[in-house]
Amino acid sequence: DAMVIQNPRYQVTQFGKPVTLSCSQTLNHNVMYWYQQKSSQAPKLLFHYYDKDFNNEADTPDNFQSRRPNTSFCFLDIRSPGLGDAAMYLCATSRVAGGSEQYFGPGTRLTVT
Amino acid sequence: GENVEQHPSTLSVQEGDSAVIKCTYSDSASNYFPWYKQELGKGPQLIIDIRSNVGEKKDQRIAVTLNKTAKHFSLHITETQPEDSAVYFCAASTGANNLFFGTGTRLTVIP
Repeated sequence: DAMVIQNPRYQVTQFGKPVTLSCSQTLNHNVMYWYQQKSSQAPKLLFHYYDKDFNNEADTPDNFQSRRPNTSFCFLDIRSPGLGDAAMYLCATSRVAGGSEQYFGPGTRLTVT
Repeated sequence: GENVEQHPSTLSVQEGDSAVIKCTYSDSASNYFPWYKQELGKGPQLIIDIRSNVGEKKDQRIAVTLNKTAKHFSLHITETQPEDSAVYFCAASTGANNLFFGTGTRLTVIP
C-alpha cells in the first residue's frame, strides 16, 4: 500500500552526466514537491507542482528541472550533476498547497562520481 | 520569510524517560505546525501536527503543544522506546506557502 514511490532508491551518476529521478503517488494529491536533503540538514524545497502549475524556488539552480506529465508522476532532471549535487532527493505530495499534510517518499540517494 | 529554530540539535534519554523538543517560529501568520520523524535512510514521516486554533494535541505517547503568543511549539514523547531513536523535524506554514523546516533534532534512546 505504498503511497509515494521513488525510483531508484540509489542512483550513481558521473560528473556532468544527466540523470532523472522519478516519483509516483497513489494518493491522487494535487501537489507534488521535490526536496534536496544533504547529510544532517533539513529538507530544502527545490520546486513544486500544483496540478500542472510549476513553482520554482528562487534559489533552485537552473541545473535542476522537473516534469509532471500527469497527476501520478513527477520527475526530477539534473542536467549536469556536480559533486555538490550528491544528496538525498525526496518527493512529497499533499492534497492542497500550504498548510496541508505532506507525505514523503523514501527518497533517492544520488552519488556523483 | 518564515524562520524556524529548533532545539536541541541532539538529545539522549534513557528508555522510559520523556523527551521534549522545542521550536520557535517568526511569522505570526503561521497556522500549521507538523512534526516529522526521519529514520536513517528513509523519508520523513508525519507523526503529529497541530493547527493554530488548538493549544495541545495528543496521540498515545506523543503530544504537541502550541503557544501562539510566544510563537513556539514543542513535541513531547513519553515513555520513550529504542524505536523512537531518529531525527525529528518541526515545520511551520502559513497555509499560503510551503513548509519551513527546523534544523532537526537527533534523538537517541538508550536501552
